[in-house]
Amino acid sequence: DIVMTQSPDSLAVSLGERATINCKSSQKILYTSNNKNYLAWYQQKPGQPPKLLIYWASTRESGVPDRFSGSGSGTDFTLTISSLQPDDFATYYCQQFNTYSPWTFGQGTKVEIK
Amino acid sequence: QVQLQESGPGLVKPSQTLSLTCTVSGGSISSGDYYWSWIRQPPGKGLEWIGYIYYSGGTSYYNPSLKSRVTISADTSRNQFSLRLNSVTAADTAVYYCARDLERAYYFDYWGQGTLVTVSS
Repeated sequence: DIVMTQSPDSLAVSLGERATINCKSSQKILYTSNNKNYLAWYQQKPGQPPKLLIYWASTRESGVPDRFSGSGSGTDFTLTISSLQPDDFATYYCQQFNTYSPWTFGQGTKVEIK
Repeated sequence: QVQLQESGPGLVKPSQTLSLTCTVSGGSISSGDYYWSWIRQPPGKGLEWIGYIYYSGGTSYYNPSLKSRVTISADTSRNQFSLRLNSVTAADTAVYYCARDLERAYYFDYWGQGTLVTVSS
């Protein structure tokens, strides 16, 4: 199975500051046939389902503010929130897809107010 | 706008079968373009994909860790898909979500609100 490990587990950030969340997969998730990394990022608030932010490692979902960006390839990925807003305090999950180990999630990173 | 809504009992006894239904509106589960999945989240913990049904071809695929206990089926006349999980224990207590994944996209773009199922006698 592909294991997704996020770091840190929690992060305290002030409003307007940058937040960076890392996600490392135990195996490469780059599909060389189409050069796609099947890596997505979600935001979850208490009592709500996850909300898709980023897919294919760096493509922002429609309607997601441009302060959210994703990067990385192979085994190492990053979600960056450039300037934290009050609505951004939540838990963030990465998720990968691989033919042999489909749809596994990271353990989550909680972003809290500093 | 696609909407998904889970329904089913909120309390199941140990060793019994958990049964949930996801009703889809704003799109057809028989369109053939999507995987329709179940995902769960134990209280205070992370997310676990359970399995999907892909109407085109009528195929389903399950998380190997749950495969022996899971069945996902679809009722296209009602635009619903369902989850059955056998022989439940307290470890199956979780919020259960249904979600949609566009074929060959491999991310979940629409989710239901989730339903908490507690396994307890």
